[in-house]
Amino acid sequence: QVQLVQSGAEVKEPGASVKISCKASAYTFTNYDIHWVRQAPGQGLDWMGIINPSVGSTTYAQTLQGRVTMTRDTSTSTVYMELVSLGYEDMAVYYCARSFCRSTSCQFDYWGQGTLVTVSS
Amino acid sequence: AIQMTQSPSSLSASVGDRVTITCRASQAIRNDLGWYQQKPGKAPKLLILGASSLQSGVPSRFSGSGSGTDFTLTISSLQPEDFATYYCLQDYTYPWTFGQGTKVEIK
Repeated sequence: QVQLVQSGAEVKEPGASVKISCKASAYTFTNYDIHWVRQAPGQGLDWMGIINPSVGSTTYAQTLQGRVTMTRDTSTSTVYMELVSLGYEDMAVYYCARSFCRSTSCQFDYWGQGTLVTVSS
Repeated sequence: AIQMTQSPSSLSASVGDRVTITCRASQAIRNDLGWYQQKPGKAPKLLILGASSLQSGVPSRFSGSGSGTDFTLTISSLQPEDFATYYCLQDYTYPWTFGQGTKVEIK
């Protein structure tokens, strides 16, 4: 069955960087875009950006522009999300999610289990 | 960015009740909208895409409607496992944006 498996929880100091992985299995990796969504404690969902695993093209949320980088490794079917210059506002659970399209609508049918990033001095 | 305004932010209901949640977009988004259910500590689960198309495996008590700027998620007869937080998501244009969520609690 389709799975997205994320790397484990991270604890970082303010100003540091974090890089989270999302390994896909049981489907053709290059056929589906991967998005990143985060959720601060007790808060709603926040879309961060998208990567096309086939060509590596990306689109990021403007609020994160310059701080976030999404990459992929097609040899291991893994997508990475790196966030630099961490602040307390970046403390959240980070999810990768696969999007699929039916007609003109594209939504997330599979999600990773989430990775908690704690920012603490 | 397109703003998605969900209402209500929370509601209390009983098992068997009919529940309606609305989502309004700040500009027309055709029917490029999905609905998700999230339970504590879990990733969201897709219920509806294309505003009204039921995702495979989702019970038929869930339905969606709307187009343009106004959308509705309806649960026809609330079940114990439906107590959760629900989000809408527009995929019309980047950045994709979520509604702020509606928490459905037990009355």
